[in-house]
Amino acid sequence: DSGVTQTPKHLITATGQRVTLRCSPRSGDLSVYWYQQSLDQGLQFLIQYYNGEERAKGNILERFSAQQFPDLHSELNLSSLELGDSALYFCASSVASRGANTEAFFGQGTRLTVV
Amino acid sequence: ILNVEQSPQSLHVQEGDSTNFTCSFPSSNFYALHWYRWETAKSPEALFVMTLNGDEKKKGRISATLNTKEGYSYLYIKGSQPEDSATYLCAFSNYGGSQGNLIFGKGTKLSVKP
Repeated sequence: DSGVTQTPKHLITATGQRVTLRCSPRSGDLSVYWYQQSLDQGLQFLIQYYNGEERAKGNILERFSAQQFPDLHSELNLSSLELGDSALYFCASSVASRGANTEAFFGQGTRLTVV
Repeated sequence: ILNVEQSPQSLHVQEGDSTNFTCSFPSSNFYALHWYRWETAKSPEALFVMTLNGDEKKKGRISATLNTKEGYSYLYIKGSQPEDSATYLCAFSNYGGSQGNLIFGKGTKLSVKP
């Protein structure tokens, strides 16, 4: 058990809908990272938050947004869903502030299926 | 766009064989190189985090080396066991505009046959 909790584990929704994925980081970790893993693709970095502030942004679509709350949990919002958004979404956390020089701990992922 | 390349994509070895994989990354603005082990239906688990050129780290039968000047890292597994079967991911972190994120390679999928 990594200590990172993601909910839900599975989500099936229709095109055009909006969903929210939730992540609770490991106790004491201030950084949260979101990744997308699509079929035959590696882990694609979406966005990082540190202590409530956006720290780094990857190839995150404009239809996607995220935030980190004062209790440090994070939510990834996916809207106007398309079939191609079907993927495994991982959240990871670490103590790292500036730069990823400490290991990241991954949640179990949320499997999103858009039909 | 920063790119991390891993080779080979997949590897099939017999129990007891020793093996190694390669991770190539941009050598400029290097900050850290991570290795993760990802078993099917589980989440990636960190093996090593290396920050200095020439770093060598070891955990049991698994070890890793780092060359930041030429932009590569090797992961070695000595005497592979069936339980080593997993996908091994490397991830690169750099200074600069994208500071703080980890860029992952696509991984090397290792299968160890008894």
